[in-house]
Amino acid sequence: DTAVSQTPKYLVTQMGNDKSIKCEQNLGHDTMYWYKQDSKKFLKIMFSYNNKELIINETVPNRFSPKSPDKAHLNLHINSLELGDSAVYFCASSHFRLAGGRGGGNEQFFGPGTRLTVL
Amino acid sequence: GENVEQHPSTLSVQEGDSAVIKCTYSDSASNYFPWYKQELGKRPQLIIDIRSNVGEKKDQRIAVTLNKTAKHFSLHITETQPEDSAVYFCASTGANSKLTFGKGITLSVRP
Repeated sequence: DTAVSQTPKYLVTQMGNDKSIKCEQNLGHDTMYWYKQDSKKFLKIMFSYNNKELIINETVPNRFSPKSPDKAHLNLHINSLELGDSAVYFCASSHFRLAGGRGGGNEQFFGPGTRLTVL
Repeated sequence: GENVEQHPSTLSVQEGDSAVIKCTYSDSASNYFPWYKQELGKRPQLIIDIRSNVGEKKDQRIAVTLNKTAKHFSLHITETQPEDSAVYFCASTGANSKLTFGKGITLSVRP
């Protein structure tokens, strides 16, 4: 009955390695997100997919590549991991709201987070 | 792009007192303003939200007010309890559904 799930919960790896984090939602939402939360607790959007299409792509190094095989899944692959990639990564999902011809906002449901530690 | 400022960065109140957290935003096109609570080691969870066509919204001990002219919105928690201790994030969303978060405020409720 978990709404938004992520695996793994913890990820410890060496610099230079490649790793993936998986996210799944069973809420029937059409939009999914990846956020990075650094050591100062700042939450920053990285990517967003709406119906499997990329709609938000912040200035994230191209070592980060999201993939959405379907509306319920959004995975994050990271190549050549660096020390500065250490953070908690949250997946989230929501309905994409259109009101008066514009996009808008709806509650975003967050996954439990993946704590990535790069040694 | 949108810029959300949140202040103060820390707030300590006595149990039973009220707490007020203020945020400002820069994009006049923003139309959705949620507040998230994040307990230590947990995920952010929505506690209340407000849309741009409403000036105030209340849910039991929490309320949010929005001043579109001044581009600021505030979270009010009354009768604070120790379990209210957490990090609180304000955020705003514009036309592309991108949620921009403030830097968060750590609220401590002293028993």
